[in-house]
Amino acid sequence: GNSVTQMEGPVTLSEEAFLTINCTYTATGYPSLFWYVQYPGEGLQLLLKATKADDKGSNKGFEATYRKETTSFHLEKGSVQVSDSAVYFCALRGTGTASKLTFGTGTRLQVTL
Amino acid sequence: GAVVSQHPSWVICKSGTSVKIECRSLDFQATTMFWYRQFPKQSLMLMATSNEGSKATYEQGVEKDKFLINHASLTLSTLTVTSAHPEDSSFYICSALVPPGEKLFFGSGTQLSVL
Repeated sequence: GNSVTQMEGPVTLSEEAFLTINCTYTATGYPSLFWYVQYPGEGLQLLLKATKADDKGSNKGFEATYRKETTSFHLEKGSVQVSDSAVYFCALRGTGTASKLTFGTGTRLQVTL
Repeated sequence: GAVVSQHPSWVICKSGTSVKIECRSLDFQATTMFWYRQFPKQSLMLMATSNEGSKATYEQGVEKDKFLINHASLTLSTLTVTSAHPEDSSFYICSALVPPGEKLFFGSGTQLSVL
């Protein structure tokens, strides 16, 4: 079956530091890959996505590249801000599975001044 | 963007009681909603797919008689945890599919603690 593995948190960074949150996946066929973010007290929101190999999703300074050869979709940001503090979820939607998503465990990011 | 309201955000109940969690789409009609559960340090796991006007489709291993899902209107789906036990303590999240595409919007989740 499909699965998503992401690094355990929490990740604590100083403002303006570089961020990487690792995500690897197992799936048959050609899944679509997503990063969702959950800010305190709010629902998960789609941050970015990529639907085929070598696609790069980007939004709000965050980027992730769909790497089929390494089955990875690592999230990166060059300079984090305090407002980026949240929980980040990597997810995939398998081929032919409509809108069913398979999620990772989530990684909590805490950015300090 | 579309708004999905989930209520309550947290609930504490005694073992053996039933708890109802509501998921509402506030500014759109959702024919399909999903219910997820997350145990500490584990992934969000899909429990069931809720379709308006029909029976929910449950994922393997999820007890349909324990987790009752009702999607009687286009803006409301409810999850009732019947005869709750401490092992049902978890974080429950709903999401709604926004027509006509496949965008998903999520509620803020419900933390259930069963004593």
